[in-house]
Amino acid sequence: GAVVSQHPSRVICKSGTSVKIECRSLDFQATTMFWYRQFPKQSLMLMATSNEGSKATYEQGVEKDKFLINHASLTLSTLTVTSAHPEDSSFYICSARDSKYTEAFFGQGTRLTVV
Amino acid sequence: AQSVSQHNHHVILSEAASLELGCNYSYGGTVNLFWYVQYPGQHLQLLLKYFSGDPLVKGIKGFEAEFIKSKFSFNLRKPSVQWSDTAEYFCAVNARRGSTLGRLYFGRGTQLTVWP
Repeated sequence: GAVVSQHPSRVICKSGTSVKIECRSLDFQATTMFWYRQFPKQSLMLMATSNEGSKATYEQGVEKDKFLINHASLTLSTLTVTSAHPEDSSFYICSARDSKYTEAFFGQGTRLTVV
Repeated sequence: AQSVSQHNHHVILSEAASLELGCNYSYGGTVNLFWYVQYPGQHLQLLLKYFSGDPLVKGIKGFEAEFIKSKFSFNLRKPSVQWSDTAEYFCAVNARRGSTLGRLYFGRGTQLTVWP
């Protein structure tokens, strides 16, 4: 299968600062990327869908201004958590797909801790 | 809206025991169904998927799942588990119509622990 790389794998930041998480498709062009959030002992919740070159589509209840998503190229999408608060601490996972694949491939996830 | 229910949150088995993990979804239309596995410290990996055709799907590592449309179920099975199957298992659904392929709705996950 295809490879999706997510960076960083862990980050600790101070409350009020912003954190950027990168998601890269290494061996294919990702026309669509997805960002998920996973709370402890809970399911992955889809936050937003982004298509290359257009604005992301956010799920209901997800703050667009807080979770900024940029999908500027076919191999890179970024999620920026702005003005982070301790309640933003979570596990964030991206996935990516190309039209030639019938499945999406997942990054390894980013553990964000806001102190 | 779609939702996915996994009945078992934590399953503990001995090696060679048989496994069945339940998954039910709620959506009236046609769906694609997936099972993912997450080994400790690793990516989510696709175990198997169902798009159409034979409702009994075989995946990697000896896993299989059966889609029963009338029951809205897609249970995962393995005849004989191994210690290396210890992981978290997620069932996921993607609606075929009006939804981007790859936009998945996940169940809560089932932690499987296999004792040697």
